[in-house]
Amino acid sequence: GESVGLHLPTLSVQEGDNSIINCAYSNSASDYFIWYKQESGKGPQFIIDIRSNMDKRQGQRVTVLLNKTVKHLSLQIAATQPGDSAVYFCAETGGGADGLTFGKGTHLIIQP
Amino acid sequence: NAGVTQTPKFQVLKTGQSMTLQCAQDMNHNSMYWYRQDPGMGLRLIYYSASEGTTDKGEVPNGYNVSRLNKREFSLRLESAAPSQTSVYFCASSEFRPVQGTNEKLFFGSGTQLSVL
Repeated sequence: GESVGLHLPTLSVQEGDNSIINCAYSNSASDYFIWYKQESGKGPQFIIDIRSNMDKRQGQRVTVLLNKTVKHLSLQIAATQPGDSAVYFCAETGGGADGLTFGKGTHLIIQP
Repeated sequence: NAGVTQTPKFQVLKTGQSMTLQCAQDMNHNSMYWYRQDPGMGLRLIYYSASEGTTDKGEVPNGYNVSRLNKREFSLRLESAAPSQTSVYFCASSEFRPVQGTNEKLFFGSGTQLSVL
C-alpha cells in the first residue's frame, strides 16, 4: 500500500507464489491508472494500465483491479520470479496536462 | 529507438553552483515532464510541458527553471543549487492529447543522480 514518512512498505513473498500490491488513491475524478515497476538505479517502467470504465485488466502474469467505489487499485503478479524484485508505484490522472500523480511505492522482495 | 535520454547520469555540485539537466525523446511525444524522486517520497512533478512552446509549474517548482527547446528536448536548470535539491531527477514524455484530454502512459529516462554539497 501507500507509505507514510520515509519508509516504503515492504511485501516479501516466496518465489513462485502470487503477489498482491495495493494502492489507495484520493482523487475521485481520476480516470486513468497505471502501475510502474522500478528496479534499483533505473527509471520507472510501465507494467499495465486501466481506465475507469473497466474494473479488471490482464497482461502477461499481471492483473490490475480497480474498485472506484472505495478508490482502490491493486496489482496481482502471478508466479512471482526473482526478476520481479523492485519497487512498484501506482499512478493516477484525471486527464489534465500535468501528467500522473504517483503513490510512494511498495518494495517487493522475492524470497528463494 | 532510444526512448527518453537524460544527461548526465551523475553530478556533484557545490551549493550555489548552477547546472542544466538535458532530456531528449525520440517518440514524437507532445508532452514532457521533469520529476524528482526522494527516498520514501515517490515521484514529485517539478515542471511539465504539455506541448512545444508551453511550460507549467508542477508540485515542487521552486529553485528550478525549464526550457522546451523544441518538440524533442526539455531541459531543467538549477540556477543556484541547494542541498535540498539533492535527489534523483527523471525526465518523462507522453502522448498527451490536450483536445481529447486523455492521458497516456509516461515513458521515463534512466535518471540523473544529483548531489549538492
